[in-house]
Amino acid sequence: QVQLVQSGAEVKRPGASVKISCKASGYTFTSYYMHWVRQAPGQGLEWIGIVTPIGGTTTYAQKLQGRVTLTTDTSTSTVYMELSSLRSEDTAVYYCARDGSGSYSWFDTWGQGTLVTVSS
Amino acid sequence: DIQMTQSPSSLSASVGDRVTITCRASQGISNSLAWYQLKPGKAPNLLLYAASRLESGVPSRFSGSGSGTDYTLTISSLQPEDFATYYCQQYYSTPYTFGQGTKLEI
Repeated sequence: QVQLVQSGAEVKRPGASVKISCKASGYTFTSYYMHWVRQAPGQGLEWIGIVTPIGGTTTYAQKLQGRVTLTTDTSTSTVYMELSSLRSEDTAVYYCARDGSGSYSWFDTWGQGTLVTVSS
Repeated sequence: DIQMTQSPSSLSASVGDRVTITCRASQGISNSLAWYQLKPGKAPNLLLYAASRLESGVPSRFSGSGSGTDYTLTISSLQPEDFATYYCQQYYSTPYTFGQGTKLEI
């Protein structure tokens, strides 16, 4: 079955960077774009961006532009999200989510989430 | 950016009740709307996409409707496992945006 397995929780200092992985299985990795979404404590869902599996073309939310980088490794069917210059407001659960139609649509399968805590 | 206004923000109901959650977009989104269910500590679950298409494996008590800017999620007969938080999301244009969520409580 389609599965997205994310790396474990992270604790980072303000100003540091974090890189989260999302390993896909159960489908043809190169056929589906991947999104990233986050949820801060007590808040709603926020879309971070999308990456194509081949070529790594990206579109980012303007709010995070310049601090976020999405990359893919087709050899391991893994997608990565790196967020730099971390601030306390970046504390959130981060999810990867597969695009349901393949490109630019709904999210049909989600990872289990990775908690990133930014604290001094 | 397209703003998604979801209501109500919370809802108290009982098992067997019929409930409706609404979502209004700040501009027309041509049925490019999905609904998700979130439970604490679990991955979000896709319920419907294209406003009214039921995701495989989702019980038929969930249904969606709407067009243009106004959309609804209806649960026809609440079951104990349905008490969760629900979000709408537009995928008409990036940045994709979500409603504020509706917490469905007993």
